[in-house]
Amino acid sequence: GEDVEQSLFLSVREGDSSVINCTYTDSSSTYLYWYKQEPGAGLQLLTYIFSNMDMKQDQRLTVLLNKKDKHLSLRIADTQTGDSAIYFCAESGDDMRFGAGTRLTVKP
Amino acid sequence: EAGVTQFPSHSVIEKGQTVTLRCDPISGHDNLYWYRRVMGKEIKFLLHFVKESKQDESGMPNNRFLAERTGGTYSTLKVQPAELEDSGVYFCASSQGQGNPYEQYFGPGTRLTVT
Repeated sequence: GEDVEQSLFLSVREGDSSVINCTYTDSSSTYLYWYKQEPGAGLQLLTYIFSNMDMKQDQRLTVLLNKKDKHLSLRIADTQTGDSAIYFCAESGDDMRFGAGTRLTVKP
Repeated sequence: EAGVTQFPSHSVIEKGQTVTLRCDPISGHDNLYWYRRVMGKEIKFLLHFVKESKQDESGMPNNRFLAERTGGTYSTLKVQPAELEDSGVYFCASSQGQGNPYEQYFGPGTRLTVT
């Protein structure tokens, strides 16, 4: 079946920018999401973007959407050790469809 | 305000046994969702309740899985009999509305291990 795809691992140094990429499948998805999962916790909605937008910025987070290529990215500026977590992208058609998650490790 | 809670946090059972997972949504949220993440793979949708009714159960893998939400409050997900491939993390989420954007609030998940 069609999958929402993400790279599984990303490692950056504290203070650097992190970019997590995702390709989605459903061109009719109206919203695309980024969730964060910290150890032992549930998924926390970080941000979402409406499909007619190509960029959304929220403090240290920047979401870029390339609808033609069905590519979504999440940029975290000035990455901190507290940003270490698993990040899931998701698309919504009739229901939510998630990627496998990208484990971000931030090294001091 | 309390978030979505799930019980138990971990469960280890033998193949063929029965397990019941529980989810308590945020108070007042009519929509309740179950998801599963197997072996570090993608999180997959299982089903969606609106109050006590099953709105969409297209993601339920087979008839060994039974979800209920009597009274439209908490929900249970029963696996009977459990198989090895049922191992994974089961997440519950709730939301007030059901239209996009899906502002779903997730519970911490129940990690199920079938041996």
